[in-house]
Amino acid sequence: DTAVSQTPKYLVTQMGNDKSIKCEQNLGHDTMYWYKQDSKKFLKIMFSYNNKELIINETVPNRFSPKSPDKAHLNLHINSLELGDSAVYFCASSPGGNTEAFFGQGTRLTVV
Amino acid sequence: GENVEQHPSTLSVQEGDSAVIKCTYSDSASNYFPWYKQELGKGPQLIIDIRSNVGEKKDQRIAVTLNKTAKHFSLHITETQPEDSAVYFCAAPANQAGTALIFGKGTTLSVSS
Repeated sequence: DTAVSQTPKYLVTQMGNDKSIKCEQNLGHDTMYWYKQDSKKFLKIMFSYNNKELIINETVPNRFSPKSPDKAHLNLHINSLELGDSAVYFCASSPGGNTEAFFGQGTRLTVV
Repeated sequence: GENVEQHPSTLSVQEGDSAVIKCTYSDSASNYFPWYKQELGKGPQLIIDIRSNVGEKKDQRIAVTLNKTAKHFSLHITETQPEDSAVYFCAAPANQAGTALIFGKGTTLSVSS
């Protein structure tokens, strides 16, 4: 069983489109995250949720909107996609603060 | 907020040699320092972590050392093997609650046989 699963694994779309990435964890963790990894491999936190509540929202354009319908899911919706949004997006979860984070396999988003 | 610097950005070693990757952090209140390994096409995976009440931790060929006074921590891999080739990231908490991690920029380790 995959602990943290993201879909889709690859996403190619045109500029201006709206897309969503789904994430589910079956570890029973309270905290979930979205990270963005750019072409230089730099990993940057975007959002952090604890028990469905948003606790960290880094400087991310408001075109990005996370939604957590329940503790096991954290989806990422992106409006009006731009070329600069091309990256690998990782979902992760952890039991709480300062504990091991378990990452999904990533979603490679390419905006053309 | 926390800032994490990581060096070197690339490291090439021969199989059997040791590899050392160093990180510095800025927030003296940080108390948790994990290291992640990312293989090609996969998500990062925790390989070892250390908390601020400990100066060193070992797990087989991997060790991490922490110097709180100097605010730096290092990853040591001994007897490197080709399967150690990957990108390694150090990290520190983004805040005192540890509700997210700030990552270093990564080190690409290449082990040649």
